[in-house]
Amino acid sequence: EADIYQTPRYLVIGTGKKITLECSQTMGHDKMYWYQQDPGMELHLIHYSYGVNSTEKGDLSSESTVSRIRTEHFPLTLESARPSHTSQYLCASSRAPGTEAFFGQGTRLTVV
Amino acid sequence: AQTVTQSQPEMSVQEAETVTLSCTYDTSESNYYLFWYKQPPSRQMILVIRQEAYKQQNATENRFSVNFQKAAKSFSLKISDSQLGDTAMYFCAFMKEHAGNMLTFGGGTRLMVKP
Repeated sequence: EADIYQTPRYLVIGTGKKITLECSQTMGHDKMYWYQQDPGMELHLIHYSYGVNSTEKGDLSSESTVSRIRTEHFPLTLESARPSHTSQYLCASSRAPGTEAFFGQGTRLTVV
Repeated sequence: AQTVTQSQPEMSVQEAETVTLSCTYDTSESNYYLFWYKQPPSRQMILVIRQEAYKQQNATENRFSVNFQKAAKSFSLKISDSQLGDTAMYFCAFMKEHAGNMLTFGGGTRLMVKP
């Protein structure tokens, strides 16, 4: 099992609420990522970070935001959740160029 | 931009038999990395196998091996002696060199191993 953790695992929340999905890794990896996995199971990169104070948007446009204040922590925030945000969110990290990404167990978000 | 295509949304195989999952990709890059990831139901995505495009030799990890055809842009995964624990979603993924280790995924193949 990789040392990357996501909380909560499951979240059901009402429309308009602000939420933060947590992701932490203990491997000292500089690179971290958020992928969104839709019900059809396709995965798309929504955010990435190369290190502290570095964040970029990924290929898939997302209304979420991220921050990277500490190497080990890469939280994702939705200011106002909508049903269209219902999805599974996977956090990942990696170290050296060309090496594998390690994934967390994911947060399954349902907005009602 | 890179694209990754997995043409088999679902597959099934009998326990102990061999199955091959297909993956094709499109890129103009000359060097890159290819991966197969496994996502068991409600569990973490884990790496199955990794291939560097500049290496001609096909990667192998125990019962898992790949058939990498660079000219054809094909990267299939062969699972030998299938086990019930191999039941999972399998994703083929592409990583461009010097691009921050970001992955482009295929749509996935759901593999069911039957007893």
